[in-house]
Amino acid sequence: RKEVEQDPGPFNVPEGATVAFNCTYSNSASQSFFWYRQDCRKEPKLLMSVYSSGNEDGRFTAQLNRASQYISLLIRDSKLSDSATYLCVVTFSRGFQKLVFGTGTRLLVSP
Amino acid sequence: DTAVSQTPKYLVTQMGNDKSIKCEQNLGHDTMYWYKQDSKKFLKIMFSYNNKELIINETVPNRFSPKSPDKAHLNLHINSLELGDSAVYFCASSQDARDTEAFFGQGTRLTVV
Repeated sequence: RKEVEQDPGPFNVPEGATVAFNCTYSNSASQSFFWYRQDCRKEPKLLMSVYSSGNEDGRFTAQLNRASQYISLLIRDSKLSDSATYLCVVTFSRGFQKLVFGTGTRLLVSP
Repeated sequence: DTAVSQTPKYLVTQMGNDKSIKCEQNLGHDTMYWYKQDSKKFLKIMFSYNNKELIINETVPNRFSPKSPDKAHLNLHINSLELGDSAVYFCASSQDARDTEAFFGQGTRLTVV
């Protein structure tokens, strides 16, 4: 079983739609959680951290459910520029943090 | 000013050759990484160095040898290249080994023919 699992998609949505991605992780000792964004043929970049209390950054809302070991990302009012691959990332500590990436969920926003 | 820069951006080479990829960060970070992204886009850590010391080595074939001459540089040397080594290799850095935000370089697309 992969440490971090995501639906690869693609999710095809029209502009203005709301779309949600989920991610599950297998290691209950995981400590920190993130969403990264990767544009086609580019490097991954941090989108936002994910907290148990939930956090929001503009049109993006991230949520963590530790009991069920899943993380979600909600994008409201999708823009064409949101088209990208969204990578779920979890970390656990062995004295140092190790980032483990999911395979990513591809989002395509169309006019 | 590129925070994490790696060279070359593209590398096409024949099986059996030896090649190196260089990485430099100007962020003053203590920790640097090499990740491999395969054809299925799965991004997996290979190595991590903290202040020039190896702290993560993820069951990578010993044909891959990282070298960190100082904490701002982490190079990756690959011996006897194989077809399966074709991938995009990303260098990254973070403030320290407990910091979880990683800044990535633009990647090196390696094609072994």
